[in-house]
Order: sequence, then C-alpha cells, then structure tokens
Amino acid sequence: GEDVEQSLFLSVREGDSSVINCTYTDSSSTYLYWYKQEPGAGLQLLTYIFSNMDMKQDQRLTVLLNKKDKHLSLRIADTQTGDSAIYFCAEILFSGGYNKLIFGAGTRLAVHP
Amino acid sequence: DAGVTQSPTHLIKTRGQQVTLRCSPKSGHDTVSWYQQALGQGPQFIFQYYEEEERQRGNFPDRFSGHQFPNYSSELNVNALLLGDSALYLCASSLGQGARTEAFFGQGTRLTVV
Repeated sequence: GEDVEQSLFLSVREGDSSVINCTYTDSSSTYLYWYKQEPGAGLQLLTYIFSNMDMKQDQRLTVLLNKKDKHLSLRIADTQTGDSAIYFCAEILFSGGYNKLIFGAGTRLAVHP
Repeated sequence: DAGVTQSPTHLIKTRGQQVTLRCSPKSGHDTVSWYQQALGQGPQFIFQYYEEEERQRGNFPDRFSGHQFPNYSSELNVNALLLGDSALYLCASSLGQGARTEAFFGQGTRLTVV
C-alpha cells in the first residue's frame, strides 16, 4: 500500500535539536525525501536519502533511515526560529517506468525562544 | 533560473464552473506532476505528464484533466468544480523518469470554490 505517517506537531526551544519522525510502507522505495513548507509557500526540497544508506548529514540536517522498520527521521541541530514550518516526509514510488511522490500529512515544527 | 512558476497564485471560482491552472517547469526539466494539497494535509498526486502524454494518474475523477505542451509547460483543468476542490494545487517538475528524481515545486495556486 501507499502510506506515509508522521506525527503532526513538534515544539522545541531555540538552540535545541529537533527530531521529526516518519514511517512509510513501501519497502521498494528507493529514495526518501524531506520537504519544508513555510506559510503560504510551496515545497522546498531539504534533503533526501537513498535506501541503501543508513545516515546522511548535510550541515545542520541529519537523516537516519531504518529500512527494516521502515522508519525515517530528520534531525535539525541548533534549531532556529526560521526553521518553524511544516516538514513533509515523502517516498518515491517507481512503477511501470514512471515515478510519483507519496507524502505524509506533515509535521508542524514550532520553535520558541 | 526562475524555477517552477505557477499562475495564477490565487483564484476564486463558483461551484460548477471550470478552472485552468498553469505551470512552467524549471529550465531543463521535461516532466510535470500535479498535486492537490487540502488544508492541513500532505500533497496528493493527481497526475504526471511526460512527452506530452499523461503517464500516471492518482485517485482523482475524470473532472481533472491536463495537458503538456511542446515547451514542457503544463495545464491542469478541473471541470464542474465542487466545494471540496478547494485546495492548494502544486506543480512539480523533474528531469527524466529514473528511480531517483529530484522534484522541484512551484509556489502553488490557491483555489477557493464558493
């Protein structure tokens, strides 16, 4: 089936680390993505991880993948007020020669002083 | 590089009317996908166009149709609008059809049906 699940809300203090979790169902997904959406805006691609990797680090962002449990997480170090947004986890389904993205419902990250 | 551009940014239509949304892909991209994002939800895949043909379709009725032009730009048409069609419509462009494809999204068109 096609289903991606995320917790809906996360509140952190400025300067702390944020961890946003996601579970997906399709074990054939080759790439998993994290997108950020600020109010009134489209989706911004933050990072992605290939399914044969366990971890990927990109500046303040760390993505961890547990393929056995189909669990993906995004860690934001030193969270800033500018990180306040909705974060979407997405898996890419490749079928019949064509691909599409399946998104979770999004996690709203609120950063407070 | 202007990235993915969508027009219009906002639109108000009356139930039963028809609407056309437009998308210009990022320079060099040949594939356009459309997504519907209802309030408080994640984007849902509507369909994808490649080489001017619809290649994949999500679980949306035939009232939703589209087109891709030779310059890779695309239109999304929705007929007989329902109140439930109110949403943010996102266009994403990408290059090719590989298993690893980075999709870039536009700012979206906010459609309100009254």
